[in-house]
Amino acid sequence: AQRVTQPEKLLSVFKGAPVELKCNYSYSGSPELFWYVQYSRQRLQLLLRHISRESIKGFTADLNKGETSFHLKKPFAQEEDSAMYYCAPYAGNNRKLIWGLGTSLAVNP
Amino acid sequence: ETGVTQSPTHLIKTRGQQVTLRCSSQSGHNTVSWYQQALGQGPQFIFQYYREEENGRGNFPPRFSGLQFPNYSSELNVNALELDDSALYLCASSNSYEQYFGPGTRLTVT
Repeated sequence: AQRVTQPEKLLSVFKGAPVELKCNYSYSGSPELFWYVQYSRQRLQLLLRHISRESIKGFTADLNKGETSFHLKKPFAQEEDSAMYYCAPYAGNNRKLIWGLGTSLAVNP
Repeated sequence: ETGVTQSPTHLIKTRGQQVTLRCSSQSGHNTVSWYQQALGQGPQFIFQYYREEENGRGNFPPRFSGLQFPNYSSELNVNALELDDSALYLCASSNSYEQYFGPGTRLTVT
């Protein structure tokens, strides 16, 4: 099984502070990882894909194979970033997939 | 472009009954994945269908089964419902790596 773990259930920061949401993975092959976000009363939606190297809404995530991590980072948190964040493996190709439990990010004014 | 839709929105069933949940994939998407999300948990992968064939399965018993139709819409069937089956069931469609999620069906088993 391909498993990701998110050690923090809740993360609370002040507006303008840096934020890092942790994700670690255990994979038997090459990992394909994503960050999904769920804002209040909205659907789950893709935020970042590990190979895109894009910055979406100021967030970035680097795949660190040595540390088996895929942490999500933003230098200056905004109140609108408050949401539930999930680290997730790619679905398909007969893979058994274990999502993270999610981290609830609260950005306080 | 129509997004992913799921029906019904909410459902209450009794232990031992059977249930069918439905998902209409986004236009142009040939892959549908189903997830179970219990309260306070992350989505747990149930299975995926690609062009009407099962393409992967998580750790769920055989009483969880599915179908995908030629128009790529899908059904999730659960037989012999148990109390622990109470959860939000999410459907996601895709034609590449990005999954587009539906709003979910809230199933309560009493």
